[in-house]
Order: sequence, then C-alpha cells, then structure tokens
Amino acid sequence: EDQVTQSPEALRLQEGESSSLNCSYTVSGLRGLFWYRQDPGKGPEFLFTLYSAGEEKEKERLKATLTKKESFLHITAPKPEDSATYLCAVRPLYSGAGSYQLTFGKGTKLSVIP
Amino acid sequence: EAGVTQFPSHSVIEKGQTVTLRCDPISGHDNLYWYRRVMGKEIKFLLHFVKESKQDESGMPNNRFLAERTGGTYSTLKVQPAELEDSGVYFCASSQEAGSTDTQYFGPGTRLTVL
Repeated sequence: EDQVTQSPEALRLQEGESSSLNCSYTVSGLRGLFWYRQDPGKGPEFLFTLYSAGEEKEKERLKATLTKKESFLHITAPKPEDSATYLCAVRPLYSGAGSYQLTFGKGTKLSVIP
Repeated sequence: EAGVTQFPSHSVIEKGQTVTLRCDPISGHDNLYWYRRVMGKEIKFLLHFVKESKQDESGMPNNRFLAERTGGTYSTLKVQPAELEDSGVYFCASSQEAGSTDTQYFGPGTRLTVL
C-alpha cells in the first residue's frame, strides 16, 4: 500500500527565515510526486510535479526536489503570504484501475510571521 | 478558464437524511475524481470517472454513496442515508487525458456536517 508521511506537522517561521518541508513516500513504483498548496477553506492548488530522482522544480520562493525515498519543498526567504498547508501526494506507476489515485500525506501547516 | 466548481460549499444535515453534492469539472477534462478529507486525516480517494464511465470506485466507503456523471460532464455524489462518520470535506478534481503528465486540479470542496 502506498504511504506518504509529511514532516513537520506544523512550522512557524519568521519572515525571511528559510526552511524545508519533508515528504517521505513508499510506493511500489512512482509515476509522479505532486506538491499542492491549500489555503483555509479552499481546495488544494497545484504547485509542482516531480517524476524522477534528481529532478528539481522552482516557482518564486519555492523549490521542490526529489530522491528515491523523499521529496523536499525548500522555501527561501518566505513571506507571510506563503502561509498555508502544503500537501504532498504520489501517483503509482502501474497501469489500470487505481493508477490514477493520488495518495496524500496529512500536510505541513506553515505559518510565516512578519 | 474556469476552474473546478462545487456546490454547495457547505451542507448541514441530520443523520438519516440524503445529501447530493455536485461537481463541474474544467471544460474538456475527461477525468473526474472525488476525494474526501475527514477531520484529522489525510485526503483520501473515493472514485474516478473517465467521461461517463466509472474507472475506479475502490475508495467508496459503502453502498450509501452513489456517484454519477451524466453525459460525461458534471458529476453528483449522493449520500443516502447519511451517517455521522460521513462528515468531512468532499473534494472534486479533474484532469485531461494526458498520460503520465496528468495533473489533477481540485475544486474548493463541499464541507458536509452530519448531526
């Protein structure tokens, strides 16, 4: 069974204080690892997809990296508007029914204090 | 381009009543998914439509849940009769049929409270 574990559960940062969020995963084969951002009362908003170990993607102050067992979301010089819950999800490699399911972690709630 | 929309945003019902949630996917997206998040838990998959056909309903908790997708457009998820443990946020997502690059885009969710 696919599993995703995110840490820490919550993180408080001062504005400008860089840090990283962790997503550890167990999957028989990885088709893709997805990062989403979720604001209170809203649905998950797509950020990145990573497909293979060593891949990196960047968007503004965010950079996502992938190894064979985990992914990191690095936040550089965060601002208060980066406060949100960040979700990690995996999609399995196999074909057929079930292969489109995303397995999510519980998320990391990030608070950036001015 | 309009995103995934869901209606209602909130629903409060009594145990034993029936509720129907609606999802309108992004125009042109053949794939439609339902997920649910109960309090304190992670978002979990319920089912997947390709156009009007159910591709995977392995996540549906029991036969009190019925999902339909009329004409391959919008989808409804009916809970009948509702139980206390059905409370949570129900998310709909959609994606194009694009193979390995298939990104799922989520709607804002419907918060269901069963009293």
